[in-house]
Amino acid sequence: SQQGEEDPQALSIQEGENATMNCSYKTSINNLQWYRQNSGRGLVHLILIRSNEREKHSGRLRVTLDTSKKSSSLLITASRAADTASYFCATDASGNTPLVFGKGTRLSVIA
Amino acid sequence: KAGVTQTPRYLIKTRGQQVTLSCSPISGHRSVSWYQQTPGQGLQFLFEYFSETQRNKGNFPGRFSGRQFSNSRSEMNVSTLELGDSALYLCASSLAGTGGEVYTFGSGTRLTVV
Repeated sequence: SQQGEEDPQALSIQEGENATMNCSYKTSINNLQWYRQNSGRGLVHLILIRSNEREKHSGRLRVTLDTSKKSSSLLITASRAADTASYFCATDASGNTPLVFGKGTRLSVIA
Repeated sequence: KAGVTQTPRYLIKTRGQQVTLSCSPISGHRSVSWYQQTPGQGLQFLFEYFSETQRNKGNFPGRFSGRQFSNSRSEMNVSTLELGDSALYLCASSLAGTGGEVYTFGSGTRLTVV
């Protein structure tokens, strides 16, 4: 079953603008990760945030986590055409449970 | 170090046939997970193997099976292929498959069933 649900499904912005993607999930989690996928390829890990953290930064990426609302957001600042890809959130719960992915947000950055 | 290697990259099969996909994890990674990706359903978890044992299984019919070898390489098999099995099959490896670990994905095998 799908745990995370990204919003919006698709997003189109101009180069230099910021892109914000949201992820909502249904049950309690231990960790939340964001991955990126270029067209038809494998996924690449971007950032991991633990349930006791509220915000993390990595370069132009900023991730927030609100466990009370069961939601996370990924902000990409000063976007570039090379950021065009699909972005997925993935969650895991306690123990050896598998990583469960949402359906992703398709981001298009227009030069 | 070498990444996760999936073979073959592309496959075309006929309905009713069976297919075997292979995944070689990053050296030292003992957990291998398989996912099916389709436009309508996104990434759906198939199963996870750790130390040659299936530890987790998703909600897929018994036609989907897998195994893991002592060197952590994994294969998945789909028997009696159906048109709906057309998808990108992704495998991912991690150290132990425990929570909070980063998954490293292969480039996937694109399966088309005709």
